[in-house]
Amino acid sequence: DAMVIQNPRYQVTQFGKPVTLSCSQTLNHNVMYWYQQKSSQAPKLLFHYYDKDFNNEADTPDNFQSRRPNTSFCFLDIRSPGLGDAAMYLCATSRDLGLAGADEQFFGPGTRLTVL
Amino acid sequence: QQQVKQSPQSLIVQKGGISIINCAYENTAFDYFPWYQQFPGKGPALLIAIRPDVSEKKEGRFTISFNKSAKQFSLHIMDSQPGDSATYFCAALRAQKLVFGQGTRLTINP
Repeated sequence: DAMVIQNPRYQVTQFGKPVTLSCSQTLNHNVMYWYQQKSSQAPKLLFHYYDKDFNNEADTPDNFQSRRPNTSFCFLDIRSPGLGDAAMYLCATSRDLGLAGADEQFFGPGTRLTVL
Repeated sequence: QQQVKQSPQSLIVQKGGISIINCAYENTAFDYFPWYQQFPGKGPALLIAIRPDVSEKKEGRFTISFNKSAKQFSLHIMDSQPGDSATYFCAALRAQKLVFGQGTRLTINP
């Protein structure tokens, strides 16, 4: 029944130790997004994939990378996590890059990352 | 630069009352204005949305009012219920990218 699945739900890593977060979808959507949501803040878009085309936000740090090996899966890699990277990471999908909201974004439950 | 400003940050309403959350935007290029509801430990879920050529949209107990000239829009929850207690985010879409407001933590007291 789940449409956007994120694993793990909780991830603890050490300062500077690379970490990978996973997102999969059963909707066969073309677009997959990664958002960062810090405590009591709004989600902030990091990047998105339209099919295999990667689109990075201008203010996303180089420390954050992403991979999309196929339609169903997308990964967020944090190369050297800092204390400031502790946050909830949300994956979302949409059927297409619809104009004027023609394509709803469906969010996963998120992965909460703790950096020690 | 915050492009979508949301208020209040938190709101407490009695059961059966009306909850009102307000948002203002700056960029007239936004062409879609959704509201998301987020429960603790869950991702945001689309609640209701409006396009700028419409002044009001109602779905059940939820209504969006949109004032294009003032660049403001608001969410009204009628007959608020304890199950409505959640964080609500307004958002604006431009070039297929969502910009979120800061969120409002709504608590409905029984």
